[in-house]
Amino acid sequence: QKEVEQDPGPLSVPEGAIVSLNCTYSNSAFQYFMWYRQYSRKGPELLMYTYSSGNKEDGRFTAQVDKSSKYISLFIRDSQPSDSATYLCAMTLIQGAQKLVFGQGTRLTINP
Amino acid sequence: NAGVTQTPKFQVLKTGQSMTLQCAQDMNHEYMSWYRQDPGMGLRLIHYSVGAGITDQGEVPNGYNVSRSTTEDFPLRLLSAAPSQTSVYFCASSYSGINNNSPLHFGNGTRLTVT
Repeated sequence: QKEVEQDPGPLSVPEGAIVSLNCTYSNSAFQYFMWYRQYSRKGPELLMYTYSSGNKEDGRFTAQVDKSSKYISLFIRDSQPSDSATYLCAMTLIQGAQKLVFGQGTRLTINP
Repeated sequence: NAGVTQTPKFQVLKTGQSMTLQCAQDMNHEYMSWYRQDPGMGLRLIHYSVGAGITDQGEVPNGYNVSRSTTEDFPLRLLSAAPSQTSVYFCASSYSGINNNSPLHFGNGTRLTVT
């Protein structure tokens, strides 16, 4: 069983829809959670960084962590075609660590 | 501002050949790392370095060697290529340990095929 599980999709939604992307994990020691966005033929780029349980909002993006359920989510409001990309969750045990554990990535397409 | 530069962008090798994937960053980052990305597997850490002269193994180090003689460069060597090493390889760097103020910066990858 992988430490971090993420539905690879693909996920296709109409422009303007609310998108929900999710990851589950097995190691309860994970403390720091990230979402990366990866456009085709490019490297991933950090989208959201959160610590422990709770919500964090940045514009149209909201990251949610539920440590009791070992479940993290990324919500995208008012989705745009430019949001079409692969979204990867990642997590690590301690702040300042070098080893990130990534999910498989979810391929998202927003249709105009 | 170039960021993290990886060369070559594409490479085809025959089984048993060796090669070096190059990675350079111009951000004066201390931390550098190599990941491979395979369908259904996500990104997996191969090797990483916390500074010049210091390297350590990640999750999938077998078949790969690294060295860090300068802050800027972190080459990845495949000693004897195998078809299982067909993948997209990403180099990444960060100013210090990974946190909100020191995120990982990725290059655009090297697509390697081993036949």
